[in-house]
Amino acid sequence: KNEVEQSPQNLTAQEGEFITINCSYSVGISALHWLQQHPGGGIVSLFMLSSGKKKHGRLIATINIQEKHSSLHITASHPRDSAVYICAVLQAGSYQLTFGKGTKLSVIP
Amino acid sequence: EPEVTQTPSHQVTQMGQEVILRCVPISNHLYFYWYRQILGQKVEFLVSFYNNEISEKSEIFDDQFSVERPDGSNFTLKIRSTKLEDSAMYFCASSRDGVTEAFFGQGTRLTVV
Repeated sequence: KNEVEQSPQNLTAQEGEFITINCSYSVGISALHWLQQHPGGGIVSLFMLSSGKKKHGRLIATINIQEKHSSLHITASHPRDSAVYICAVLQAGSYQLTFGKGTKLSVIP
Repeated sequence: EPEVTQTPSHQVTQMGQEVILRCVPISNHLYFYWYRQILGQKVEFLVSFYNNEISEKSEIFDDQFSVERPDGSNFTLKIRSTKLEDSAMYFCASSRDGVTEAFFGQGTRLTVV
């Protein structure tokens, strides 16, 4: 059974701080997703990774397949970044995503 | 930008009633999914659908649940006889080929009373 663990569960940061959210998983995967969920509930895809690193604006995602670990970084955080960030993995040979519990980020002005 | 749309955004139903949640996936996508999120819990996989049949389903997806692609655009989730524990946010998602990025709808909040 694939377990997806995220840390921290909750994170409060001052505006402008550099933020890191971590994700680890237990089985082989074909891809890893970072998703954002706002209080209204909708889910937005931020990145899909199978190796290396991706950057989009102030967001950077990295993955280490050997260590079964991924990180999401936010540079120069802003209050509008406040949301729940979710890691989800696509297990090798499967089409279903397995989700972590999410990291609730609050950025204070 | 293409998006997955879900209707209704919120549905309240009495226990034992049937509900149908509707989704319009992105038009050139071939893989469709339903996920659910009980309040305060993580998102859970229900079912994936490809080529007009279920390709995978979870233990949650029992005989009370069914999915259908009744025409070329809609993808529906039916819950035959709702229970209180079916109250959750239900997300539809679609993917071009099953291994590239999945796009999610805004969700339908189902409340069973």
